[in-house]
This record gives sequence, structure tokens and C-alpha cells, in this order.
Amino acid sequence: AQKITQTQPGMFVQEKEAVTLDCTYDTSDQSYGLFWYKQPSSGEMIFLIYQGSYDEQNATEGRYSLNFQKARKSANLVISASQLGDSAMYFCAMSDTYNTDKLIFGTGTRLQVFP
Amino acid sequence: DAGVIQSPRHEVTEMGQEVTLRCKPISGHDYLFWYRQTMMRGLELLIYFNNNVPIDDSGMPEDRFSAKMPNASFSTLKIQPSEPRDSAVYFCASTPLFPTGLASQETQYFGPGTRLLVL
Repeated sequence: AQKITQTQPGMFVQEKEAVTLDCTYDTSDQSYGLFWYKQPSSGEMIFLIYQGSYDEQNATEGRYSLNFQKARKSANLVISASQLGDSAMYFCAMSDTYNTDKLIFGTGTRLQVFP
Repeated sequence: DAGVIQSPRHEVTEMGQEVTLRCKPISGHDYLFWYRQTMMRGLELLIYFNNNVPIDDSGMPEDRFSAKMPNASFSTLKIQPSEPRDSAVYFCASTPLFPTGLASQETQYFGPGTRLLVL
């Protein structure tokens, strides 16, 4: 069965610094997708970035980049130049492309950015 | 586009009452998902639809929960009778096509959620 693990329940970073949020996954599939979502205190889930298992380049979206290490089954989110507005819960998720359309979510990491 | 719309945003009810949560997906999206989020269990997929047809309801906790999608622009999640342990945030999400990891960067667009409290 697929599994997503986020081992950091909470992280602190100073404004303008970079921060890495860890995500490891377990799957026997060769084709899958990896996603990161942000959930601010207001509660909505905001899609940040996507990485396909066959993508050779690490995905980037503005200040977000995904450090994809397939052999290690890790998909860490890197936020550069942190801003106060980045304070939120961050969820890693993966999709099973052949058996289901489902997204399986990790337990999340709470990021707190301080001035 | 207005995004995924959910109503109500907050619901407080008493145990035993019927609760109906509503969702309007993004126009043109083929898939609709219902999730439940709690502190204890995190984010769980309850059920999802493809072209208004339920595909997988294995996440629905029990018979008290039911979901319908009578047309492409509307879905409901009903709890009858409600219990205090149903208290959670319920999210609806939609996506325009199969969330494949091969080529597409499409993903699920979430609504703002309905915060349900059952007393």
C-alpha cells in the first residue's frame, strides 16, 4: 500500500531564509505523482507544486521547488526566501496513477516563519 | 472561475440531526472528491465521482454517510443521524481529468471546506 510520511510535525524559520520540509513515500508503482499543498489558518487547501515520477527535472514554482530523489523515495519541498505569509500547514501527497484517482496525504508539517 | 464552492461554511448541529453539505465543483471538471479532515486522522478521502458516477466510496465511514451527484455542477454529502465524532472539516475538491503522474500537472482544486460541529 502507498504511504506518505512527513516526520517534521513543526518547523521554524526566520523570514528571508530558506526552509526544507521533508516528505518520503512508499510505493511499488513506477508511475505516480507527488504534490504539495499549503493549508493556512483559514483552512483552505492550496496546491503548490507537482512532480511526476518520470520527470527528470525537479519541479519549480516561484519560490517553491521540489527536491525529488527517486531512489531515496523522497520529495522534499524547499521554500526560498521565506515570508511571514508562508506560515501554514504543509501537506505532501501522492497519487496512484493506475489503480485509483486518489490522493494519499501525509500528516502535515506546521511551518512558522518569524521576523 | 469562482473555484470550488461549498456551503455552509460552518454548521453546528445536535447529535441525531441530519446534516447536508453541498458542493459546486469548478465548471468542466470531471472528478469530484469529498474529504474529511480531523486532528486525529488527518485528511481522509471519503468518496469520489467521475462524470457524476460514484467510483470509490470505500472511505465512507458507515451507512450514516451518503453522497450524491445529481448533475455535473452539484454534489451533496449527507450524514444521518449525525454523531459528535463526525465533527470535522469536510472538503470538496474537483479536478478536470485523471490525476496521472505521467504527463499532467492537473491536480485537485479544493473548496474552502465546511466546518461541522456536532454537539
